[in-house]
Amino acid sequence: AQKITQTQPGMFVQEKEAVTLDCTYDTSDQSYGLFWYKQPSSGEMIFLIYQGSYDEQNATEGRYSLNFQKARKSTNLVISASQLGDSAMYFCAMRDDDYKLSFGAGTTVTVRA
Amino acid sequence: DTAVSQTPKYLVTQMGNDKSIKCEQNLGHDTMYWYKQDSKKFLKIMFSYNNKELIINETVPNRFSPKSPDKAHLNLHINSLELGDSAVYFCASSQVGVGQQETQYFGPGTRLLVL
Repeated sequence: AQKITQTQPGMFVQEKEAVTLDCTYDTSDQSYGLFWYKQPSSGEMIFLIYQGSYDEQNATEGRYSLNFQKARKSTNLVISASQLGDSAMYFCAMRDDDYKLSFGAGTTVTVRA
Repeated sequence: DTAVSQTPKYLVTQMGNDKSIKCEQNLGHDTMYWYKQDSKKFLKIMFSYNNKELIINETVPNRFSPKSPDKAHLNLHINSLELGDSAVYFCASSQVGVGQQETQYFGPGTRLLVL
């Protein structure tokens, strides 16, 4: 069974600083995809960034980047230059061979002015 | 130009009623999904359809029945609603492929409250 672990229920970060959200996963599949989604208080699920299991380089998308360590089965999300609008819940997810997305429990980020 | 839309956005109903949630995507994707997000924000897959064919059917009570009339639509019908069905239901769609093509895009969610 697939499993995604996000160990940080909540985090505070000062505006303009960087924050790292941890995510580890467990799978025996060789091919898988890793995703991060943002869920603001309004409730929608917004796709942020993707990392494929065969990608050799860490994914980057604007202020979002991943620290992908395949051997450790971790894919941590780094949000640089935090903005007030980054306050939200962030979910790590993994797509398995059956194309199901398994989600972690989420991390709530609060950006302080 | 909404990519994945759901109706209704809010649904308040009495226990025992039957209700439906509709989902439409205009992204040209071939796969659609239903997820349930509970009160603790935990998200779990319920169903998935690929080109109108059911491909994922998780352990969901058979009171829940998905229906896909075409690959752009996936509806969810719930019979005999129970208090525990109260949750946010998300529809999503993706293109089966390689790499970022497989990203699932979510609808805005339907907040169901069973009284």
